[in-house]
Amino acid sequence: GAVVSQHPSRVICKSGTSVKIECRSLDFQATTMFWYRQFPKQSLMLMATSNEGSKATYEQGVEKDKFLINHASLTLSTLTVTSAHPEDSSFYICSASPSSGRPGAQFFGPGTRLTVL
Amino acid sequence: GQQLNQSPQSMFIQEGEDVSMNCTSSSIFNTWLWYKQEPGEGPVLLIALYKAGELTSNGRLTAQFGITRKDSFLNISASIPSDVGIYFCAGRISGNTPLVFGKGTRLSVIA
Repeated sequence: GAVVSQHPSRVICKSGTSVKIECRSLDFQATTMFWYRQFPKQSLMLMATSNEGSKATYEQGVEKDKFLINHASLTLSTLTVTSAHPEDSSFYICSASPSSGRPGAQFFGPGTRLTVL
Repeated sequence: GQQLNQSPQSMFIQEGEDVSMNCTSSSIFNTWLWYKQEPGEGPVLLIALYKAGELTSNGRLTAQFGITRKDSFLNISASIPSDVGIYFCAGRISGNTPLVFGKGTRLSVIA
């Protein structure tokens, strides 16, 4: 149980295009999902907290118009990187916390490797 | 943002040896989590701790939630090559607030 999927696992795009990344909790409902970014050999950096049915909360320094987050259901959150540039190339990882049971646990997706040319 | 102090940063050990790593914080946490991450993959939850003093095992892994609620350790006994990876501690201050992560411990196991 507690499986989180991400799609796509890897994407290469041209500068200026937009890329959408999906995060799904497969066997549990998640009121809250989180989006992280990870640079090589570094820890995870929280970008935003996504709450089902309401606006996402962005961390300081993360542009909300650049990284659009939609959490339309209890099992799906999407991150759209708009007008991507090479500096947006990174490993993006989502995580989800179960709405019921032990709320403290947080389960991560396998990540999406974004490369912007 | 806030980070936990995780040590050591890296470890090179012989197969069969025991491993210990720990995290400390200036804040009190109500949840401690330990994750393992392998290259190109997302972190995988190893152990979750919810009460001060709690000691929990998962196979060869054992983790404890410190009594002061400001620290936690993870032990791996009889290491094997597949234990290689980066281990992250993470803590939560309250409710469903975002996790705070340590910088990770990179474990290498020499066969």
